[in-house]
Amino acid sequence: GDSVTQMEGPVTLSEEAFLTINCTYTATGYPSLFWYVQYPGEGLQLLLKATKADDKGSNKGFEATYRKETTSFHLEKGSVQVSDSAVYFCALPYTGGFKTIFGAGTRLFVKA
Amino acid sequence: DVKVTQSSRYLVKRTGEKVFLECVQDMDHENMFWYRQDPGLGLRLIYFSYDVKMKEKGDIPEGYSVSREKKERFSLILESASTNQTSMYLCASSPTGISNQPQHFGDGTRLSIL
Repeated sequence: GDSVTQMEGPVTLSEEAFLTINCTYTATGYPSLFWYVQYPGEGLQLLLKATKADDKGSNKGFEATYRKETTSFHLEKGSVQVSDSAVYFCALPYTGGFKTIFGAGTRLFVKA
Repeated sequence: DVKVTQSSRYLVKRTGEKVFLECVQDMDHENMFWYRQDPGLGLRLIYFSYDVKMKEKGDIPEGYSVSREKKERFSLILESASTNQTSMYLCASSPTGISNQPQHFGDGTRLSIL
């Protein structure tokens, strides 16, 4: 069945470091892919999305490219800030359904 | 912007009580969802609803029920609260039953059962 696997955390980086959070998926068909972010004390919010193969989603300096050949949607940012400290979730809508499969989440700590 | 509002940020209840968690969305979304979030377990779907009075079980429905009498409101009910239901509860909504639409989340209710 459909599934999402993302790298375990926590990930600890210094400010201005490069960030990669890996996400791979298994799906029937060609769904959209999402990254959500959860800041401390808040719910999840959509960070970026890609709707088809080779699409690149971007927002707030974060980017992710939908790669069908490697079934991946890795999240990257060239220079993280303390304010990026949060939990990041990769997500895959069920093909043809209403539900979304969420990865386990990766907690990011950024030190000043 | 879509607003999903959960009635309480923090709630403390006693074992055996009947507990109601309320969620309201203001964007006329057809789909609404209840999740619980626990350390190391990620988000787990409890119930969802794709229309008024319609509901479907998610992955962990045991010990919970839901009510959707109006389109904008989706309630989660703990029939007889137990300590293992202490958790963060997140409500979400999404527009018409197109699977590729993202969900919009409330800020969560942190529920403690003593």
